[in-house]
Order: sequence, then structure tokens, then C-alpha cells
Amino acid sequence: LAKTTQPISMDSYEGQEVNITCSHNNIATNDYITWYQQFPSQGPRFIIQGYKTKVTNEVASLFIPADRKSSTLSLPRVSLSDTAVYYCLVGSILTGGGNKLTFGTGTQLKVEL
Amino acid sequence: KAGVTQTPRYLIKTRGQQVTLSCSPISGHRSVSWYQQTPGQGLQFLFEYFSETQRNKGNFPGRFSGRQFSNSRSEMNVSTLELGDSALYLCASSLSGSSTDTQYFGPGTRLTVL
Repeated sequence: LAKTTQPISMDSYEGQEVNITCSHNNIATNDYITWYQQFPSQGPRFIIQGYKTKVTNEVASLFIPADRKSSTLSLPRVSLSDTAVYYCLVGSILTGGGNKLTFGTGTQLKVEL
Repeated sequence: KAGVTQTPRYLIKTRGQQVTLSCSPISGHRSVSWYQQTPGQGLQFLFEYFSETQRNKGNFPGRFSGRQFSNSRSEMNVSTLELGDSALYLCASSLSGSSTDTQYFGPGTRLTVL
């Protein structure tokens, strides 16, 4: 199972772009990279998923280099409401099918005025 | 479309008791996974059910069990509760549970064991 490493915490100010990098050196060929956001006492919320290069949706962009050993979540123009824990996950395809999300420690993002 | 619902939201039990938590997945989703979240261990995978069968299991003792019904609703049971079982229990559903499926999490059940 691919293990992920992220910074424990990051601080930013409203309106800035935030980039959170995750390393996953042992990522397997079939693994996808997924990012979740979690607010206190709530379940994680899906942000974005990608396999290689760049993926963009209405809330974030995901940059994945060619070797796929790392990925960067980019949040444009953050606001106070983006203060949360962000998890980088590598999906594990299991023999019997299905998926088992392996969560790391996550990155606590704090956005200030 | 309604999201994943979990009941109850909060629960207080004493050591030695057992507890059953319920999860209703998003309509049409056939895979339901359960996770335990604690400050010390973070988010840990418990098990996954698909079409009423347990397909994958994490590294938890046999006191933790679950099942899935034909309508994809799932329950998890913890017997002989220990203080360390105090946690936020999260349920997530997805269409088929593959690695490319988005998993949608419910709000969780906060279990406190006294």
C-alpha cells in the first residue's frame, strides 16, 4: 500500500493561493491520487482526483509529475472557510476488488484574514 | 440526491456494552465502507461491504463486525466495548467501490465509551 507524506500544517491568508504537496514514493501503476477535505466533526469531503499531469475542477487543481511520486493540490484564492484538514490518498486496488482508502495524518490548513 | 446518512449521531455507552451503528448510502451506491477516526490513530479503515458481502477488512479485532442489507444499507456492531473504542465512526458509500469511484462520507457517529 502506498504511504503518503504531507506537511502537518500550513498557514495562509485570505485571497492567496495555497499549494499542498504530498509525496507517495511507492505509488503503484494502477493507483489514483485523491484529495479530501475534512472539517471538525464532519466526514471527509472529496475535492479532486487524478492519475497524471493536471486535473482542474471548480474548487482546485491537482498537479502530478510524470514519475507520479508526488502530487500538489492547489487551492486558488483561499478564504476563511477553507480552514480544514486536507488528506492526500492513494487508492489501493485490492485483490477481491473494491477500495480501501488509506489516510495519512493530513495537513491542517489555517487561513487568516 | 440525499447524501449518506448515519444514525445515531451521538452515542454514550459503558465498557462491556455493545453498540450498533447504522449507515444509509446514497441511492444507487452499492459499496459501503466504515472508518474509525481517533485523535491518536487518525482515520482507519474498518471494512467494506458490496452487494451484502464483506469484500475487504482492516486490522481491527473481531469485536468489530458489520453487515449490509439488500437495499445497501449497512450496520456495524462493536461488542464488549472498551474505552479505546471512543471515536468518530464514519461511513462512506460509492457506486462500486473501485479506486476511481468517489467515496462520499456521512457526518459520522460520535461514540463515547465511559
